[in-house]
Amino acid sequence: DGGITQSPKYLFRKEGQNVTLSCEQNLNHDAMYWYRQDPGQGLRLIYYSQIVNDFQKGDIAEGYSVSREKKESFPLTVTSAQKNPTAFYLCASSINGRGARNEQFFGPGTRLTVL
Amino acid sequence: AQSVTQPDIHITVSEGASLELRCNYSYGATPYLFWYVQSPGQGLQLLLKYFSGDTLVQGIKGFEAEFKRSQSSFNLRKPSVHWSDAAEYFCAVGAPTSTSGTYKYIFGTGTRLKVLA
Repeated sequence: DGGITQSPKYLFRKEGQNVTLSCEQNLNHDAMYWYRQDPGQGLRLIYYSQIVNDFQKGDIAEGYSVSREKKESFPLTVTSAQKNPTAFYLCASSINGRGARNEQFFGPGTRLTVL
Repeated sequence: AQSVTQPDIHITVSEGASLELRCNYSYGATPYLFWYVQSPGQGLQLLLKYFSGDTLVQGIKGFEAEFKRSQSSFNLRKPSVHWSDAAEYFCAVGAPTSTSGTYKYIFGTGTRLKVLA
């Protein structure tokens, strides 16, 4: 079955540590996205990538970094510079990012808790 | 700037009752509109989408939505709610990014639906 996988489902981190969230898709999509979800705030865009080896900052990129070395993979690193990292993180993909009508497909999410 | 407003944070309905979830958008051009549903602790699933043409669009799970340009609205409806519809619902609009020719979603803050047996 084609889809998006995110791992781990739950992640705990000590304050001051970097942590990397995995996102893999086998839909052959060019575009991938990372969102952060907090209660009552909807989804906010962290980073997006239209093509391998290229990515752009979204609306709340500070304290995060990404890479896109392979088409199917778009890992997100939450760095110690992110002041309030506890949240639910969602990865998504679309066939490409060059159309406002392109449907985004979402992974199951990773819940990150900073202890 | 583009934005999406979902004025109802929580809605409670009885099973079998009708449902309407409100969504208002702010967008200068022809909007591309989406409704997604999220079960607790899960990702988002697309219910339906509007691009152009017929302003009443049908989606999965018996949902429909009506686009009203004059009211800048895209409300989601279901004639008879089932207990399994309890979830959070998000409205989104496709909008250009700062990179020419590329687009992103702008999401509303969501409406959490509770269904009473």
